[in-house]
Amino acid sequence: DGGITQSPKYLFRKEGQNVTLSCEQNLNHDAMYWYRQDPGQGLRLIYYSQIVNDFQKGDIAEGYSVSREKKESFPLTVTSAQKNPTAFYLCASSIATFRRTTVSGANVLTFGAGSRLTVL
Amino acid sequence: DQQVKQNSPSLSVQEGRISILNCDYTNSMFDYFLWYKKYPAEGPTFLISISSIKDKNEDGRFTVFLNKSAKHLSLHIVPSQPGDSAVYFCAAYKHARVLRNDMRFGAGTRLTVKP
Repeated sequence: DGGITQSPKYLFRKEGQNVTLSCEQNLNHDAMYWYRQDPGQGLRLIYYSQIVNDFQKGDIAEGYSVSREKKESFPLTVTSAQKNPTAFYLCASSIATFRRTTVSGANVLTFGAGSRLTVL
Repeated sequence: DQQVKQNSPSLSVQEGRISILNCDYTNSMFDYFLWYKKYPAEGPTFLISISSIKDKNEDGRFTVFLNKSAKHLSLHIVPSQPGDSAVYFCAAYKHARVLRNDMRFGAGTRLTVKP
């Protein structure tokens, strides 16, 4: 079955530590994304990547870093510079938007099950 | 800046009745709108979409209505079933910005369908 796998599901971190959240997909999607969900707020985009070896900052990239060395993988590192890292993190993937035309329909994201990070 | 708003954090309906979930947006440039459904401990899954050239799209029990002049869309579920109990997210984006992901999500509405 194709899908997106995020790990770990739950993660606890001490202040000042960096942590890396894993995201792997076997959907052959070009584009991958990281979102953050906080209570009462919509999903906010952290980073995204349309192709291997390229990624772009989203709306709240400060304190985070990513890499895209393989098409299947898009790990997110939450650094000690992130002031308020406790949140639910969602990884997603899609066909790259540059492959789509208006007639081909909406850019549907496929999401992983999420990782909950708690800073102690 | 919240460009997509879901002003009702929760909604409760009786099984068999209609559920109406609402979403407002502020950016008139958005031309695609989507609804996602999320169960606890799972990621959101795509439910239904609509482009700005339409005002209605139907898929089984689910219908999305778009009112561009009011910058408002709604999701109707008829008839509602207990298995529909989940958090529903509204999302919107402008297709033409092909090299940038501008999809914006609302905060979600928790739907509870009571037997």
